[in-house]
Amino acid sequence: QKEVEQNSGPLSVPEGAIASLNCTYSDRGSQSFFWYRQYSGKSPELIMSIYSNGDKEDGRFTAQLNKASQYVSLLIRDSQPSDSATYLCAVKGTNAGKSTFGDGTTLTVKP
Amino acid sequence: KAGVTQTPRYLIKTRGQQVTLSCSPISGHRSVSWYQQTPGQGLQFLFEYFSETQRNKGNFPGRFSGRQFSNSRSEMNVSTLELGDSALYLCASSSTSFYEQFFGPGTRLTVL
Repeated sequence: QKEVEQNSGPLSVPEGAIASLNCTYSDRGSQSFFWYRQYSGKSPELIMSIYSNGDKEDGRFTAQLNKASQYVSLLIRDSQPSDSATYLCAVKGTNAGKSTFGDGTTLTVKP
Repeated sequence: KAGVTQTPRYLIKTRGQQVTLSCSPISGHRSVSWYQQTPGQGLQFLFEYFSETQRNKGNFPGRFSGRQFSNSRSEMNVSTLELGDSALYLCASSSTSFYEQFFGPGTRLTVL
C-alpha cells in the first residue's frame, strides 16, 4: 500500500463544474496536509494547506480533512480551463517526518 | 520576497560523470528539501536539510548526497551518473521542516 494515494486520473470536467480530487494516507499520526498544483513543464505550487478536521475554503478551492477516515480532498468550484493541471496531495509525517507526495491527479477542464 | 532559485536550469551529462546542483531558499527559510521527479515515479524525496543538518533521507543510493551551508543555501551532488538519473530535480524551502513548501523551478538533468 502506498503511503499517499490519489484517485487515478485523468479527470475531465466541463467549465463551471465542481472538480473533486481525493487523497488517502496511511500514517494515522499525520497532522499536516497540503495540495499543490503543477502545470505541465512547471514546478509544483502550493495552493492549500489544512491541519484540522473539517473544511477550509480559499476562493474557489475547498480542502476537506477527515483524520478518522485518513482522507483529504480538494474541491474546485466553478472550474476554469486555467485549472487544468496535475494536483498533488502531500502529507507530512509525525514529528519532523518528511512529506510524502501522491502520484497526482491530472485535471482537464473543457471549455 | 524572492522565491526559491535553482541553478543551473538545464544540464546534459554523460554516464559516469558527476554533477552538482544548487538551491537558494527563500530568505529566512531554514529547511531545504530535494526531490526527484520522473514521469514514471512521480515526486520522490531525496533528503532534507535543516540548519546545516540532514534530518531526513529518502531511499536513494549513496551516489546522491547533499549539504547545506550556514546561509541555508544547499547543494546536491550525484556521482557516477546513470541513464536512470535523468529527471527534474526540485528543491523546496520551508520555514520549518516540511510545512508549507515552496518549490524552485527545478534543474532538468539529462544523462546520455
